[in-house]
Amino acid sequence: GIQVEQSPPDLILQEGANSTLRCNFSDSVNNLQWFHQNPWGQLINLFYIPSGTKQNGRLSATTVATERYSLLYISSSQTTDSGVYFCAGTGANSKLTFGKGITLSVRP
Amino acid sequence: DAGVTQSPTHLIKTRGQQVTLRCSPISGHKSVSWYQQVLGQGPQFIFQYYEKEERGRGNFPDRFSARQFPNYSSELNVNALLLGDSALYLCASSLHSNQPQHFGDGTRLSIL
Repeated sequence: GIQVEQSPPDLILQEGANSTLRCNFSDSVNNLQWFHQNPWGQLINLFYIPSGTKQNGRLSATTVATERYSLLYISSSQTTDSGVYFCAGTGANSKLTFGKGITLSVRP
Repeated sequence: DAGVTQSPTHLIKTRGQQVTLRCSPISGHKSVSWYQQVLGQGPQFIFQYYEKEERGRGNFPDRFSARQFPNYSSELNVNALLLGDSALYLCASSLHSNQPQHFGDGTRLSIL
Protein backbone atom coordinates (compact mmCIF):
# COMPACT_ATOMS: atom_id res chain seq x y z
CA GLY A 1 0.00 0.00 0.00
CA ILE A 2 0.89 3.66 -0.19
CA GLN A 3 2.93 5.46 2.45
CA VAL A 4 1.88 8.93 3.65
CA GLU A 5 4.36 11.31 5.24
CA GLN A 6 3.30 14.54 6.89
CA SER A 7 5.54 17.40 7.96
CA PRO A 8 6.28 18.99 10.27
CA PRO A 9 5.08 16.60 13.00
CA ASP A 10 4.38 19.45 15.41
CA LEU A 11 3.78 23.15 14.92
CA ILE A 12 3.36 25.96 17.42
CA LEU A 13 2.05 29.29 16.18
CA GLN A 14 1.15 32.63 17.63
CA GLU A 15 -2.41 33.67 16.87
CA GLY A 16 -2.54 35.54 13.57
CA ALA A 17 0.42 33.72 11.99
CA ASN A 18 0.30 31.77 8.74
CA SER A 19 1.44 28.17 8.23
CA THR A 20 1.94 25.51 5.58
CA LEU A 21 1.41 21.80 6.25
CA ARG A 22 2.82 19.26 3.82
CA CYS A 23 1.79 15.75 2.81
CA ASN A 24 3.90 13.45 0.61
CA PHE A 25 2.69 10.19 -0.93
CA SER A 26 4.84 7.24 -1.99
CA ASP A 27 2.67 6.52 -5.03
CA SER A 28 -0.14 8.05 -7.06
CA VAL A 29 -3.31 8.58 -5.09
CA ASN A 30 -6.87 9.58 -5.75
CA ASN A 31 -9.49 10.65 -3.23
CA LEU A 32 -6.94 12.85 -1.45
CA GLN A 33 -8.53 14.42 1.62
CA TRP A 34 -7.45 16.77 4.42
CA PHE A 35 -9.04 16.47 7.87
CA HIS A 36 -8.91 18.35 11.14
CA GLN A 37 -9.33 16.31 14.31
CA ASN A 38 -10.47 18.43 17.23
CA PRO A 39 -9.65 17.72 20.89
CA TRP A 40 -12.88 15.71 21.20
CA GLY A 41 -11.76 13.31 18.48
CA GLN A 42 -14.13 14.51 15.78
CA LEU A 43 -12.63 14.18 12.30
CA ILE A 44 -13.78 17.13 10.21
CA ASN A 45 -13.51 17.15 6.43
CA LEU A 46 -11.53 20.16 5.23
CA PHE A 47 -10.88 19.42 1.56
CA TYR A 48 -11.34 16.75 -1.05
CA ILE A 49 -8.53 17.67 -3.41
CA PRO A 50 -7.09 14.99 -5.73
CA SER A 51 -5.55 17.78 -7.80
CA GLY A 52 -5.51 21.56 -8.16
CA THR A 53 -6.23 24.28 -5.63
CA LYS A 54 -9.23 24.98 -3.42
CA GLN A 55 -9.97 27.66 -0.86
CA ASN A 56 -12.41 27.79 2.02
CA GLY A 57 -12.15 30.94 4.12
CA ARG A 58 -8.76 31.13 5.81
CA LEU A 59 -7.84 27.65 4.61
CA SER A 60 -6.64 26.62 1.20
CA ALA A 61 -5.09 23.48 -0.24
CA THR A 62 -3.05 22.60 -3.29
CA THR A 63 -2.31 19.15 -4.65
CA VAL A 64 0.33 18.47 -7.30
CA ALA A 65 -0.65 14.96 -8.29
CA THR A 66 2.25 14.44 -10.71
CA GLU A 67 4.73 15.11 -7.89
CA ARG A 68 2.68 13.23 -5.26
CA TYR A 69 2.31 15.95 -2.65
CA SER A 70 -0.32 18.21 -1.18
CA LEU A 71 -0.11 21.39 0.88
CA LEU A 72 -2.57 22.86 3.36
CA TYR A 73 -2.30 26.59 4.04
CA ILE A 74 -3.72 28.21 7.16
CA SER A 75 -3.76 32.00 7.20
CA SER A 76 -4.37 34.30 10.17
CA SER A 77 -4.47 31.32 12.52
CA GLN A 78 -6.88 31.28 15.47
CA THR A 79 -6.81 29.28 18.70
CA THR A 80 -9.73 27.23 17.38
CA ASP A 81 -7.44 25.95 14.60
CA SER A 82 -5.55 23.90 17.19
CA GLY A 83 -5.75 20.15 16.85
CA VAL A 84 -4.34 17.46 14.61
CA TYR A 85 -4.37 17.75 10.83
CA PHE A 86 -4.41 14.57 8.76
CA CYS A 87 -4.06 13.99 5.06
CA ALA A 88 -5.22 10.71 3.58
CA GLY A 89 -5.27 9.17 0.14
CA THR A 90 -6.58 6.14 -1.68
CA GLY A 91 -4.16 4.10 -3.73
CA ALA A 92 -4.72 1.24 -6.13
CA ASN A 93 -6.18 -0.96 -3.38
CA SER A 94 -8.94 1.60 -2.63
CA LYS A 95 -7.98 1.77 1.05
CA LEU A 96 -7.89 5.25 2.55
CA THR A 97 -4.44 5.57 4.13
CA PHE A 98 -3.72 8.30 6.68
CA GLY A 99 -0.51 10.01 7.64
CA LYS A 100 0.55 10.26 11.28
CA GLY A 101 -0.84 13.78 11.54
CA ILE A 102 0.50 17.24 12.32
CA THR A 103 -0.26 18.60 15.78
CA LEU A 104 -0.94 22.31 15.61
CA SER A 105 -1.06 24.51 18.70
CA VAL A 106 -2.10 28.13 18.24
CA ARG A 107 -1.31 30.32 21.23
CA PRO A 108 -3.26 33.50 22.04
CA ASP B 1 -29.53 15.85 6.73
CA ALA B 2 -27.98 13.83 9.51
CA GLY B 3 -24.32 12.96 9.27
CA VAL B 4 -22.76 9.60 10.02
CA THR B 5 -24.02 8.38 13.38
CA GLN B 6 -22.24 5.85 15.58
CA SER B 7 -23.31 4.09 18.74
CA PRO B 8 -22.46 3.80 21.50
CA THR B 9 -20.23 6.84 22.05
CA HIS B 10 -18.28 5.19 24.86
CA LEU B 11 -17.88 1.59 25.93
CA ILE B 12 -15.94 -0.18 28.63
CA LYS B 13 -15.25 -3.91 28.34
CA THR B 14 -12.94 -6.44 29.94
CA ARG B 15 -10.43 -8.71 28.27
CA GLY B 16 -11.96 -11.71 26.51
CA GLN B 17 -15.36 -10.11 26.00
CA GLN B 18 -17.01 -9.38 22.69
CA VAL B 19 -18.25 -6.01 21.41
CA THR B 20 -20.53 -4.76 18.64
CA LEU B 21 -20.28 -1.22 17.31
CA ARG B 22 -22.92 0.32 15.07
CA CYS B 23 -22.88 2.87 12.28
CA SER B 24 -25.56 4.58 10.21
CA PRO B 25 -24.29 6.25 7.03
CA ILE B 26 -25.37 9.53 5.54
CA SER B 27 -28.65 9.07 3.67
CA GLY B 28 -27.95 7.93 0.12
CA HIS B 29 -24.43 6.70 0.87
CA LYS B 30 -23.90 3.06 -0.02
CA SER B 31 -20.34 2.54 1.20
CA VAL B 32 -19.26 2.23 4.83
CA SER B 33 -15.70 1.92 6.11
CA TRP B 34 -14.33 1.22 9.60
CA TYR B 35 -11.11 2.56 11.10
CA GLN B 36 -9.23 2.07 14.36
CA GLN B 37 -7.36 5.02 15.84
CA VAL B 38 -5.04 4.44 18.79
CA LEU B 39 -3.71 7.37 20.78
CA GLY B 40 -1.14 9.42 18.89
CA GLN B 41 -1.65 7.70 15.53
CA GLY B 42 -3.68 8.26 12.41
CA PRO B 43 -6.76 6.11 11.76
CA GLN B 44 -6.00 2.63 10.43
CA PHE B 45 -8.30 1.03 7.85
CA ILE B 46 -10.15 -2.09 9.04
CA PHE B 47 -12.95 -2.80 6.52
CA GLN B 48 -14.87 -1.31 3.65
CA TYR B 49 -18.32 -2.44 2.57
CA TYR B 50 -20.21 -1.41 -0.54
CA GLU B 51 -23.68 -2.63 -1.43
CA LYS B 52 -23.46 -5.17 1.41
CA GLU B 53 -20.29 -6.76 0.08
CA GLU B 54 -16.81 -6.54 1.59
CA ARG B 55 -14.63 -4.46 -0.72
CA GLY B 56 -11.47 -4.25 1.34
CA ARG B 57 -9.87 -5.48 4.53
CA GLY B 58 -6.96 -4.03 6.46
CA ASN B 59 -4.26 -5.82 8.39
CA PHE B 60 -6.38 -6.88 11.37
CA PRO B 61 -6.84 -10.36 12.91
CA ASP B 62 -9.89 -12.53 12.30
CA ARG B 63 -11.26 -11.44 15.68
CA PHE B 64 -12.49 -8.39 13.76
CA SER B 65 -15.52 -8.85 11.53
CA ALA B 66 -18.17 -6.60 10.03
CA ARG B 67 -21.29 -6.62 7.95
CA GLN B 68 -23.53 -4.20 6.10
CA PHE B 69 -27.29 -4.40 6.16
CA PRO B 70 -29.83 -3.77 3.35
CA ASN B 71 -30.39 -0.23 4.70
CA TYR B 72 -26.59 0.32 4.37
CA SER B 73 -26.01 0.58 8.11
CA SER B 74 -23.12 -1.47 9.42
CA GLU B 75 -21.83 -3.31 12.47
CA LEU B 76 -18.26 -3.97 13.54
CA ASN B 77 -17.71 -6.95 15.83
CA VAL B 78 -14.60 -7.66 17.82
CA ASN B 79 -14.23 -10.97 19.68
CA ALA B 80 -11.86 -12.00 22.46
CA LEU B 81 -10.98 -8.42 23.31
CA LEU B 82 -7.38 -7.57 24.16
CA LEU B 83 -6.01 -4.57 26.01
CA GLY B 84 -4.52 -3.39 22.72
CA ASP B 85 -8.01 -3.08 21.21
CA SER B 86 -8.56 0.04 23.31
CA ALA B 87 -9.00 2.78 20.72
CA LEU B 88 -11.33 5.19 18.99
CA TYR B 89 -13.31 3.32 16.34
CA LEU B 90 -14.41 5.50 13.47
CA CYS B 91 -16.99 4.82 10.81
CA ALA B 92 -17.06 6.68 7.50
CA SER B 93 -19.55 6.67 4.67
CA SER B 94 -19.33 7.67 1.02
CA LEU B 95 -21.63 7.63 -1.99
CA HIS B 96 -19.61 4.90 -3.65
CA SER B 97 -16.53 2.93 -2.70
CA ASN B 98 -14.10 5.39 -4.31
CA GLN B 99 -15.58 8.72 -3.23
CA PRO B 100 -14.75 11.21 -0.44
CA GLN B 101 -15.43 9.76 2.99
CA HIS B 102 -17.33 11.46 5.80
CA PHE B 103 -16.67 10.39 9.35
CA GLY B 104 -18.83 9.87 12.39
CA ASP B 105 -17.82 10.99 15.87
CA GLY B 106 -16.53 7.54 16.77
CA THR B 107 -16.93 5.02 19.57
CA ARG B 108 -14.31 5.19 22.28
CA LEU B 109 -13.64 1.62 23.46
CA SER B 110 -11.72 0.98 26.65
CA ILE B 111 -10.59 -2.51 27.62
CA LEU B 112 -9.85 -3.18 31.29
